[in-house]
Amino acid sequence: SAVISQKPSRDICQRGTSLTIQCQVDSQVTMMFWYRQQPGQSLTLIATANQGSEATYESGFVIDKFPISRPNLTFSTLTVSNMSPEDSSIYLCSVEQAGGTDTQYFGPGTRLTVL
Amino acid sequence: EDQVTQSPEALRLQEGESSSLNCSYTVSGLRGLFWYRQDPGKGPEFLFTLYSAGEEKEKERLKATLTKKESFLHITAPKPEDSATYLCAVHSYSSASKIIFGSGTRLSIRP
Repeated sequence: SAVISQKPSRDICQRGTSLTIQCQVDSQVTMMFWYRQQPGQSLTLIATANQGSEATYESGFVIDKFPISRPNLTFSTLTVSNMSPEDSSIYLCSVEQAGGTDTQYFGPGTRLTVL
Repeated sequence: EDQVTQSPEALRLQEGESSSLNCSYTVSGLRGLFWYRQDPGKGPEFLFTLYSAGEEKEKERLKATLTKKESFLHITAPKPEDSATYLCAVHSYSSASKIIFGSGTRLSIRP
């Protein structure tokens, strides 16, 4: 399976600022995904990021708040903009590997705390 | 609308005490059902993918089974290191690449 890394692993940010989270994969993948996991909750999909096209956002998530870049087949970034304490969550990227199994593999996550 | 419900929310077992976790699902055409393990503060770790009713997969003390309405994760003679949250997720033919996660079962194994 793919090896996925995220930076930063955790951060504490002030209200009104923005944070960009990086996701790096050790192999080329078509599909990359960004999830949010709020404290004590399960995973919620924010958006799907395909290389060469605009990200597709789920209901309740907008590009102005969560802009995503996907410059190549091994890298993506998610920015959390104009943060509020409600944005405190773990942010996870995942990839769907080629081969038709539909299985997603997850990175270690970025734990964000907004004060 | 696709839905995934996991039960129980939390389960405490004695070391060696076998049990099962349940994942009930409602989807418009199941493409795949996934089980993940998540330790506190970490990303989900992939365990199994099941595709069709009757399918079973095993890994160490874990065995996953699938019917047309639910999946079970059986844990045999668990050890304290099996303590984690176990997540079930489904992928339907109507949802492109999106998978829907259940709320998870927090499993605690006492030595």
